[in-house]
Amino acid sequence: GAGVSQSPSNKVTEKGKDVELRCDPISGHTALYWYRQSLGQGLEFLIYFQGNSAPDKSGLPSDRFSAERTGGSVSTLTIQRTQQEDSAVYLCASSSGGIGYGYTFGSGTRLTVV
Amino acid sequence: GIQVEQSPPDLILQEGANSTLRCNFSDSVNNLQWFHQNPWGQLINLFYIPSGTKQNGRLSATTVATERYSLLYISSSQTTDSGVYFCAVVKTSGTYKYIFGTGTRLKVLA
Repeated sequence: GAGVSQSPSNKVTEKGKDVELRCDPISGHTALYWYRQSLGQGLEFLIYFQGNSAPDKSGLPSDRFSAERTGGSVSTLTIQRTQQEDSAVYLCASSSGGIGYGYTFGSGTRLTVV
Repeated sequence: GIQVEQSPPDLILQEGANSTLRCNFSDSVNNLQWFHQNPWGQLINLFYIPSGTKQNGRLSATTVATERYSLLYISSSQTTDSGVYFCAVVKTSGTYKYIFGTGTRLKVLA
């Protein structure tokens, strides 16, 4: 696609439910990054993929968080048993090579856990 | 862990003024980026600059890796430059560390 697409744009969920957030990168972009931005917590890196592989998952905040990428394209970020502190805007970015190439953000998914 | 500090935290400028934003980091890094987040929340990558100087229009950035700082220069500021400017550093030795600064909030007045 022309840009990085994230869905849903907004999600309200009850505490304890699981949620899946989706990121469609720019076609041909091999690298994909997940971040979150919480009120009062700033920007936080979660995980990145090179192709379908995530070399390091240590940025994920807890074992309730997981991410996968298939076909070198779409990625999903799954949060199990959501907690109120998971409320944030979840951002995805993709790039065509290393970190400096064509780096583009999506518009984010605003997650609210009630 | 790596500490990333940005200064100033807030800045108000008249349109047409120049400014310099600073990013200090506490350890050697492999990558450094500058981002702009507009008032509607959209993030844009401005520069990937682990060292040296780059320019893009009215914006330029310089990273002095040996002294662990980077500067973002905004010349002839416009109201559309308003928003928050973040720097982020990446260190890839051992575990992958990608740390953001707390940002500089810029408001440009017409």
